[in-house]
Amino acid sequence: GAGVSQSPSNKVTEKGKDVELRCDPISGHTALYWYRQSLGQGLEFLIYFQGNSAPDKSGLPSDRFSAERTGGSVSTLTIQRTQQEDSAVYLCASSFGRGNYGYTFGSGTRLTVV
Amino acid sequence: AQTVTQSQPEMSVQEAETVTLSCTYDTSESDYYLFWYKQPPSRQMILVIRQEAYKQQNATENRFSVNFQKAAKSFSLKISDSQLGDAAMYFCASIQGAQKLVFGQGTRLTINP
Repeated sequence: GAGVSQSPSNKVTEKGKDVELRCDPISGHTALYWYRQSLGQGLEFLIYFQGNSAPDKSGLPSDRFSAERTGGSVSTLTIQRTQQEDSAVYLCASSFGRGNYGYTFGSGTRLTVV
Repeated sequence: AQTVTQSQPEMSVQEAETVTLSCTYDTSESDYYLFWYKQPPSRQMILVIRQEAYKQQNATENRFSVNFQKAAKSFSLKISDSQLGDAAMYFCASIQGAQKLVFGQGTRLTINP
């Protein structure tokens, strides 16, 4: 597609429920990244995919968080048993190769856990 | 490990004036790239400008320019002729080697009409 697409745009969920966030990167971009942005804060790295492999998942905050990428394209970030501290904007980005020309970001998913 | 620091949580400027946003970084690599991103209320991060560390010439993009001081590890963004549409959060970021983009904490820029 023309840009990075994320869905849903907003998600409200009850504490303890599982949620899935979707990212559709720019066609042909081999690298895909997930970041988390808490209110008024900077971007916190979560996980990076090169193709379908995740060479760096060092930013995932706990084993409740997981992500996968299929067909070298769409990625899904899953949060199990959501907690209130998971409330944040989850941003996805994609790039060619190493990303030395920068990443292209989606508009994010605002997750609110009540 | 690479780190990026923005020491100005908030800045404001009069419309049509010039403003400079500060950023310092730390890296162990000689090959790295620096970026400024803009995040308006729409949440989407927009690439403003990019600098290659091996280039001494400061990058410019229309009203946006940088002052890249490699020895001091400083990378400030200058916005000339500020416009109301420039109001946003601005993030400085760096990438080195095959690692991920690392961001500073951001500076909220307000433009006063």
